[in-house]
Amino acid sequence: EDKVVQSPLSLVVHEGDTVTLNCSYEVTNFRSLLWYKQEKKAPTFLFMLTSSGIEKKSGRLSSILDKKELFSILNITATQTGDSAVYLCAAKTEQGAQKLVFGQGTRLTINP
Amino acid sequence: NAGVTQTPKFQVLKTGQSMTLQCAQDMNHNSMYWYRQDPGMGLRLIYYSASEGTTDKGEVPNGYNVSRLNKREFSLRLESAAPSQTSVYFCASRTGTGANVLTFGAGSRLTVL
Repeated sequence: EDKVVQSPLSLVVHEGDTVTLNCSYEVTNFRSLLWYKQEKKAPTFLFMLTSSGIEKKSGRLSSILDKKELFSILNITATQTGDSAVYLCAAKTEQGAQKLVFGQGTRLTINP
Repeated sequence: NAGVTQTPKFQVLKTGQSMTLQCAQDMNHNSMYWYRQDPGMGLRLIYYSASEGTTDKGEVPNGYNVSRLNKREFSLRLESAAPSQTSVYFCASRTGTGANVLTFGAGSRLTVL
């Protein structure tokens, strides 16, 4: 059974701290790993990672994939209260059907 | 562009009632998806439609039916609602080419009493 596990499930830090969110996966026909940010409503896309060891970066957010150890991390530096959200990772499987298997999410709270 | 539009945003049903969640996208996407999100469970795929005229079961299809009415619209129907179907439902779509990233609707919160 395809499985994606995120840790921690919940994290509370102070503004300015750096956080690392973890995502491990066990899926058949793995294609890529995606990160989404979910605030009040719809998840919004952050990164898609296909190759091992190549960091993707967007402002204070960065992410990397390790296909040998089957995990990905999402780093957020100099956190701000606007970073408070649920962060979802998902493994994309099956080139044709393109299904995403989601993890449970990490609820990140940034206190001022 | 509106992106992915879901209706209704909120709905309360009694056990045994039926209802249909509507989803429409204006991005000319080929593939559409219905997910449900429950606390501690992440997003789970109910049904998807890889292209107009096709539908397939996802991880948790029991108790649901879908219709891909045309390229824009993909509806999810609960024939006889059960309390276990209390959840937040998300519709999503993607192009089928290029970056292939899902675009989500704002969600529909359904409560079954």
